[in-house]
Amino acid sequence: GAGVSQSPSNKVTEKGKDVELRCDPISGHTALYWYRQSLGQGLEFLIYFQGNSAPDKSGLPSDRFSAERTGGSVSTLTIQRTQQEDSAVYLCASSNAQLTTNEKLFFGSGTQLSVL
Amino acid sequence: AQSVSQHNHHVILSEAASLELGCNYSYGGTVNLFWYVQYPGQHLQLLLKYFSGDPLVKGIKGFEAEFIKSKFSFNLRKPSVQWSDTAEYFCAVKGNNRLAFGKGNQVVVIP
Repeated sequence: GAGVSQSPSNKVTEKGKDVELRCDPISGHTALYWYRQSLGQGLEFLIYFQGNSAPDKSGLPSDRFSAERTGGSVSTLTIQRTQQEDSAVYLCASSNAQLTTNEKLFFGSGTQLSVL
Repeated sequence: AQSVSQHNHHVILSEAASLELGCNYSYGGTVNLFWYVQYPGQHLQLLLKYFSGDPLVKGIKGFEAEFIKSKFSFNLRKPSVQWSDTAEYFCAVKGNNRLAFGKGNQVVVIP
């Protein structure tokens, strides 16, 4: 597709369950980001992938959160043993980091996660 | 680490009024600054950006922002807003492999 695609768009889960969120970046984009958007809290950086380099995981809030990016394309964010405070919109973004003067991020529409 | 502070989280104004949203950043490296906008039901999208050169940056839809290095600020302005400018606006600074975003300004324009 032409844009960043995320699935599912909405996910309702019970506390303690594991969830997986998927992101398909724009074809050819080497950089991929995950952010979390909570009400009134802005966008919180979670993790950054750049090509085949080791990801920058410094934003992950706990060891219950992990992410991988297979083949330099699709990424999956996994949250284990979900807690109510994990409820938020999880946003994925990609960019063509080879264009050093164009750091524009293209965002997906996000996954609204609700933990009951 | 870089950080961004945005003020006046909720702004309500009438059409044709002028808009100014404040943004202050903290970052010790080369400064790249951005404003992103999220219209209701839509993706976040870039409004404008500053990398170097003229500190007054023009963006889409009549928006502009001024980088004032001495004040660590990058305020967003529009002289005359329209109802379609109702959205959430986020300021961001680039550094350390990421964009650090502020908490956003929810702007509501009343027809």
